Amino acid sequence: AIQLTQSPSSLSASVGDRVTITCRASQGISSALAWYQQKPGKAPKLLIYDASSLESGVPSRFSGSGSGTDFTLTISSLQPEDFATYYCQQFNNYPLTFGGGTKVEIK
Amino acid sequence: QVQLVQSGAEVKKPGASVKVSCKASGYTFTGYYMHWVRQAPGQGLEWMGWINPNSGGTNYAQKFQGRVTMTRDTSISTAYMELSRLRSDDTAVYYCARDPYSSGWSVFDYWGQGTLVTVSS
Repeated sequence: AIQLTQSPSSLSASVGDRVTITCRASQGISSALAWYQQKPGKAPKLLIYDASSLESGVPSRFSGSGSGTDFTLTISSLQPEDFATYYCQQFNNYPLTFGGGTKVEIK
Repeated sequence: QVQLVQSGAEVKKPGASVKVSCKASGYTFTGYYMHWVRQAPGQGLEWMGWINPNSGGTNYAQKFQGRVTMTRDTSISTAYMELSRLRSDDTAVYYCARDPYSSGWSVFDYWGQGTLVTVSS
């Protein structure tokens, strides 16, 4: 199975900060990567698909980049509603797998 | 609007089975694969498999082969996930999630609200 390693596992940031989360795949997955946001007690929400495409309705402060094994999710200016846990997911190989998550907390 | 509404929380004893339902509305049920993903308390997300509601074809993660069965009833636009021989480490929130690519290799654009399954003696 393809392992996805997210870093950091948690971070503290302030409103307005630029935040970057990375996801590294154990083998190349082309651009078959998605990012999700999950708030406590809620289902995950799709933010980015195909590594860099913004899902409809998602604010433009979210962006994704990368291909092959290294990927990045960037929040250009952190807003109060962005404090959550973020997961990457690969869909290049079975089993579909997720990263371990990055918790974004208020500084 | 697309909605996936799941059945309520369950408490089961070890060795028992559980069947979770996921009722779809707001789109053509047979047009999109449905996946199941679970999340143990305080843990990450784990993919279990998918069902093609049109054909009934399935693909299960190897970890769950032999214990999971995914079915559907197209007359009521509902997908089901049954997990048997439950163990304590099956305690988790189980989600259904729609596959917008309908290919199996996909992301998940709409999710159910989740169903907590607790396995305890």
